[in-house]
Amino acid sequence: SAVISQKPSRDICQRGTSLTIQCQVDSQVTMMFWYRQQPGQSLTLIATANQGSEATYESGFVIDKFPISRPNLTFSTLTVSNLSPEDSSIYLCSATTGGLGEAFFGQGTRLTVV
Amino acid sequence: QKEVEQDPGPLSVPEGAIVSLNCTYSNSAFQYFMWYRQYSRKGPELLMYTYSSGNKEDGRFTAQVDKSSKYISLFIRDSQPSDSATYLCAMSGTGGFKTIFGAGTRLFVKA
Repeated sequence: SAVISQKPSRDICQRGTSLTIQCQVDSQVTMMFWYRQQPGQSLTLIATANQGSEATYESGFVIDKFPISRPNLTFSTLTVSNLSPEDSSIYLCSATTGGLGEAFFGQGTRLTVV
Repeated sequence: QKEVEQDPGPLSVPEGAIVSLNCTYSNSAFQYFMWYRQYSRKGPELLMYTYSSGNKEDGRFTAQVDKSSKYISLFIRDSQPSDSATYLCAMSGTGGFKTIFGAGTRLFVKA
């Protein structure tokens, strides 16, 4: 298993600013992912964070809005840029170990844009 | 058609009831099947993990996978108010495939 620490746990940001979320895993993992979860909704995959290279984004998500870094096997950041109220959501970091498909999650970052 | 279908509920049951949660899927490449429990304002917590078809039991929880029917289930015996949460089914293939999540079923267990 993997323990994932995510911070901040919550933040309130002004529109037009940016928020960077950090994700630290306690062991080396194969894959790291970033999800968004709207209130009462399921998880929407934003992107796969690739070590040392550009992230792989899902349809509807672009690098300019959601730049992602993954400098090593255990750490990744997601920045939500040029914030608008529509970005208010929970953002979750996830990781898988090996190729077995188990995905573990951080506690999430609750973002409110005002 | 969504890759994974899950009834969002809500499902309300009395304490002590047996709860059955289900998902169907369309992609026959899925081999790993998971159930997550998510309490309000928390991240999803891995509850059960099953590879391929069959049953897996862990305490009051039993996960079933029927790959021939592309149908998975989670049973909760002797349900407790503390089981009240959203339950998400999830599945993936080999080689680090993306994990695909169901919509989640909100469960309320009444004392």
